[in-house]
Amino acid sequence: QLVLTQSPSASASLGASVKLTCTLSSGHSSNTIAWHQQQPEKGPRYLMKLNSDGSHTKGDGIPDRFSGSSSGAERYLTISSLQSEDEADYYCQTWGTGIWVFGGGTKLTVL
Amino acid sequence: EVQLLESGGGLVQPGVSLRLSCAASGFIFSTYAMNWVRQAPGKGLEWVSAISGSGGSTFYADSVKGRFTISRDNSKNTLYLEMNNLGAEDTALYYCVRQYSGSYRIFDYWGQGTLVTVSS
Repeated sequence: QLVLTQSPSASASLGASVKLTCTLSSGHSSNTIAWHQQQPEKGPRYLMKLNSDGSHTKGDGIPDRFSGSSSGAERYLTISSLQSEDEADYYCQTWGTGIWVFGGGTKLTVL
Repeated sequence: EVQLLESGGGLVQPGVSLRLSCAASGFIFSTYAMNWVRQAPGKGLEWVSAISGSGGSTFYADSVKGRFTISRDNSKNTLYLEMNNLGAEDTALYYCVRQYSGSYRIFDYWGQGTLVTVSS
């Protein structure tokens, strides 16, 4: 069964860096995923496509502060030089045969 | 600029039907698969349904299979979601979402959503 697991919450200080994790279920460690950001009271926004080898392609207008990396079944989103507007929910997303799946989301608090 | 504009949401009673629409612009609509994703109040994102660029292939989440129908009119650049026998569990913000071109079935553009509230 294809499942994406994310920690419910994370926090980091203004100006610092944070690394969010999305874990693919067994048998799906080679999946490409996408990261999406949802700021409070807004619709989601696509951040990047992230492959199993760590290569990633960002969406239009996504700042260089956002980057992705991979290790085995783990997919990471790193945000550096945290700004107040980075406080948001972050979702990973992938697909299987005839299904599309989201992780439960990580709520990032910028202290 | 890619734009996706949903409409058709509202407050409805349990058991009734509703049709959502999504007007797309800024890209060649017929060459992209499209999806509906919903978000219940205070909850995470849930994929609902997908349709290929031609409309020939459709897919549904188990939670809506048999009740919802996705379709598209490529001559009007519009995506639809026909929802039947609505229940309280269908209350959510419904997003129209474009799927990345090529073999990567990820989502790359989102609409702002239309709210569906099912309540008596």
